[in-house]
Amino acid sequence: SQTIHQWPATLVQPVGSPLSLECTVEGTSNPNLYWYRQAAGRGLQLLFYSIGIDQISSEVPQNLSASRPQDRQFILSSKKLLLSDSGFYLCAWSEYLGGYTFGSGTRLTVV
Amino acid sequence: TQLLEQSPQFLSIQEGENLTVYCNSSSVFSSLQWYRQEPGEGPVLLVTVVTGGEVKKLKRLTFQFGDARKDSSLHITAAQPGDTGLYLCAGAGNQFYFGTGTSLTVIP
Repeated sequence: SQTIHQWPATLVQPVGSPLSLECTVEGTSNPNLYWYRQAAGRGLQLLFYSIGIDQISSEVPQNLSASRPQDRQFILSSKKLLLSDSGFYLCAWSEYLGGYTFGSGTRLTVV
Repeated sequence: TQLLEQSPQFLSIQEGENLTVYCNSSSVFSSLQWYRQEPGEGPVLLVTVVTGGEVKKLKRLTFQFGDARKDSSLHITAAQPGDTGLYLCAGAGNQFYFGTGTSLTVIP
């Protein structure tokens, strides 16, 4: 069966520090991978999606970037965090237009 | 951007009551999904509806896709505290577009 792992679960980082959130998927090949950000108790904002290695699309201009060094690994990064980067970050995978399977999320607080 | 508006935004009801959550858009979607999310966790897929007018039942939950495939509803019968959570709809276009969310609290 397919599983998705996302870590860390919580993170407190100072303004201006770098960020690296990692997501891996098991049990499937060539999944579509996504990074979302969620404001408290609200809907999801798509940040990046990837249909294959080195194929990444950005939906929202920002100081975040994403990389997919391996088929089942998706990384969200920043060189310098801003206060506004605080939020709940979710990684997800799907087959084409199939349902999403989400990771358990990372609560990022920038202080 | 294909906007999906959910209503109500917040809902607090007593255990045993019925409720309906709505998901509306001016756009047509090839399919629509409903998710439930508990605090500190990722959303979990409940159902996918594909055909206009389609109705799907999942125990006490009834999902309906509008005839024009622009809207959907989620009806919960005899709500229980375990139904508490954030309910999200998501419509499939060239990607999935998530709704604004409905936060449900069921009071024992």
